[in-house]
Amino acid sequence: GENVEQHPSTLSVQEGDSAVIKCTYSDSASNYFPWYKQELGKGPQLIIDIRSNVGEKKDQRIAVTLNKTAKHFSLHITETQPEDSAVYFCAAPLPGTGRRALTFGSGTRLQVQP
Amino acid sequence: DTGVSQDPRHKITKRGQNVTFRCDPISEHNRLYWYRQTLGQGPEFLTYFQNEAQLEKSRLLSDRFSAERPKGSFSTLEIQRTEQGDSAMYLCASSIDENTGELFFGEGSRLTVL
Repeated sequence: GENVEQHPSTLSVQEGDSAVIKCTYSDSASNYFPWYKQELGKGPQLIIDIRSNVGEKKDQRIAVTLNKTAKHFSLHITETQPEDSAVYFCAAPLPGTGRRALTFGSGTRLQVQP
Repeated sequence: DTGVSQDPRHKITKRGQNVTFRCDPISEHNRLYWYRQTLGQGPEFLTYFQNEAQLEKSRLLSDRFSAERPKGSFSTLEIQRTEQGDSAMYLCASSIDENTGELFFGEGSRLTVL
C-alpha cells in the first residue's frame, strides 16, 4: 500500500533460525499495527498486533516491536518451523477512512527450509 | 463453519460482462469490508460497511464497481463491463464494531477476465 512499505519481499531461512520483517508507515497519527499471515489459497489471518501505547508485544515465538519516532515496526519469528512458510503482511490504519480500514504492505514471502 | 464465506470461489468471464460476488460475514460482526488483491501484492481497500450503511469507498474505485449490504448481513460486490485489469482476488472481511481490530477474511473470489 502507498502508506506502508514492507521489506524484504522474500526471505529464506533455515529451520530453527529467526526471521525479521520490517515495515515503515507514513501517517504519524497511526495507532494500530497488525500483522497478517496468508497461506496459499486462503485469506489473510491476524497473527499479532500492537497499539501505539507499547513498544513491544510477544506471543510465544512471535513478537512485534514498534518505534513511533522512526515510524517503523517489525515482526520477529524465532525458532522458525516449516509451517511458518507463508506470505506475511504488515498493515496500518488507512488515512482518509477515519482509520476504519487498513492499508497493507506488499508482503514478504517467508520460506523455512527444513 | 462460522467463518466468512464467499461465493463463487472462482469466476471466469469475458471482457465486457458483469459479475457479482457474494459475502456472508460472521453473524455477529456488523462491519464488512471488501478488498482486492493482485498477484504479489497486499490487499487493497475497496469499500466498507457498518451494518447496511456504506461508510467508506476508495477514491481509486471505478464507478463500474458497486457494493451493497441491504439488510446489514450479507453483501454483494458487482463489477459491470469487466476489463482485463479487473482480474484479481476479491476478499471480503468482517469485524466487530470497534475503532480498529481484527479483520476476519474469507478465502476470496478469484476473478479472471479473458
